[in-house]
Amino acid sequence: DSGVTQTPKHLITATGQRVTLRCSPRSGDLSVYWYQQSLDQGLQFLIQYYNGEERAKGNILERFSAQQFPDLHSELNLSSLELGDSALYFCASSGWRDGYNEQFFGPGTRLTVL
Amino acid sequence: AQKVTQAQTEISVVEKEDVTLDCVYETRDTTYYLFWYKQPPSGELVFLIRRNSFDEQNEISGRYSWNFQKSTSSFNFTITASQVVDSAVYFCALSEGTALIFGKGTTLSVSS
Repeated sequence: DSGVTQTPKHLITATGQRVTLRCSPRSGDLSVYWYQQSLDQGLQFLIQYYNGEERAKGNILERFSAQQFPDLHSELNLSSLELGDSALYFCASSGWRDGYNEQFFGPGTRLTVL
Repeated sequence: AQKVTQAQTEISVVEKEDVTLDCVYETRDTTYYLFWYKQPPSGELVFLIRRNSFDEQNEISGRYSWNFQKSTSSFNFTITASQVVDSAVYFCALSEGTALIFGKGTTLSVSS
């Protein structure tokens, strides 16, 4: 158990809808990363937040947005969903381990868009 | 730009065979980190190893070993005497300090 929690575990929705994925980082970790794992694109970095502020952006679509709240939990919002958004979404939080800012991955949220 | 290539999409072996998973990376930085993760059928990402660019020593952990060669930009992973439980997707990843850049993964199937 990494200490990172993600809810829900599974989500099934229809095209055009909007969903919110939630991530609670490990206690004390200030950074949260979101990754998407899809059949087409593989595992790719979407966005990073550090202590409430956006720190880095990867291949995140404009239909997707994220935020990190004062209690450090993060939400990834996906809107105008398309079939191709079906994927496993991972959240990771980072903290220092052996002199390195280690990322700890949550169990993922599996999104199915029908 | 950073890039990780895992040329082997799928590998099938029989139990007790040794198997090597290849990973080639590209980066312009002199300081970077390389990783291997395992993703079993249950879907979670299991951390296996992290190596920094200044440490080219090979590492062995039980049946697992890793060979890091900066000269060829490779970080290969060998499983000795494979077991059915090793069946999974294995990802190689690169980081220059923040986000991880993953390869496409190699699906390893070990049959009994």
